[in-house]
Amino acid sequence: AQSVTQLDSHVSVSEGTPVLLRCNYSSSYSPSLFWYVQHPNKGLQLLLKYTSAATLVKGINGFEAEFKKSETSFHLTKPSAHMSDAAEYFCVVSVNNAGGTSYGKLTFGQGTILTVHP
Amino acid sequence: SAVISQKPSRDICQRGTSLTIQCQVDSQVTMMFWYRQQPGQSLTLIATANQGSEATYESGFVIDKFPISRPNLTFSTLTVSNMSPEDSSIYLCSVAPVRLGTGPRTEAFFGQGTRLTVV
Repeated sequence: AQSVTQLDSHVSVSEGTPVLLRCNYSSSYSPSLFWYVQHPNKGLQLLLKYTSAATLVKGINGFEAEFKKSETSFHLTKPSAHMSDAAEYFCVVSVNNAGGTSYGKLTFGQGTILTVHP
Repeated sequence: SAVISQKPSRDICQRGTSLTIQCQVDSQVTMMFWYRQQPGQSLTLIATANQGSEATYESGFVIDKFPISRPNLTFSTLTVSNMSPEDSSIYLCSVAPVRLGTGPRTEAFFGQGTRLTVV
């Protein structure tokens, strides 16, 4: 079984300051991990993904995340927040079988709403 | 990647009625997934739709309430039956295209969602 815990339901930062959105996971097998973003009244957009290659993953819009197996974490960071980053962010784990196959069945975290102040 | 067309994009329905949501993908996929996002909540998987067999439902979801069809590898429908205000949610279709021989750890793609309001 797998699960995802996003440690903060709301994060508020000032424009130009760093962003940290925290995520811990549990998975029976080597996981695939993702961060998705959802802007108000918009669809889900993939920010980045970890699929057992490099542990530091770079995504779109300057976001990156580091997979730390020892800490079972996959925190999302950005050096400098922009007003357009205000949205809800979901940490997601993919259900993989023992062979590492993922067919797209996902478990979502509860989401973190990011607010960016001028 | 995959492009998913989902319709309707939104609807307001009377309680006791049913709504069928359609999901069309621009490529053939083995599995399609239906999620629900209740107001202010995260996404919860309703069921996995497999072509040629019955859908597999997650705990808390039943076929009588959420019947699913999967007539071919590019199309699926989800019906929300006998609706009540508690069914007001966004319903999303999702796929994860698997390319044979390349290690199928791909991300999932989502439709734009159907925003359902039951009054």
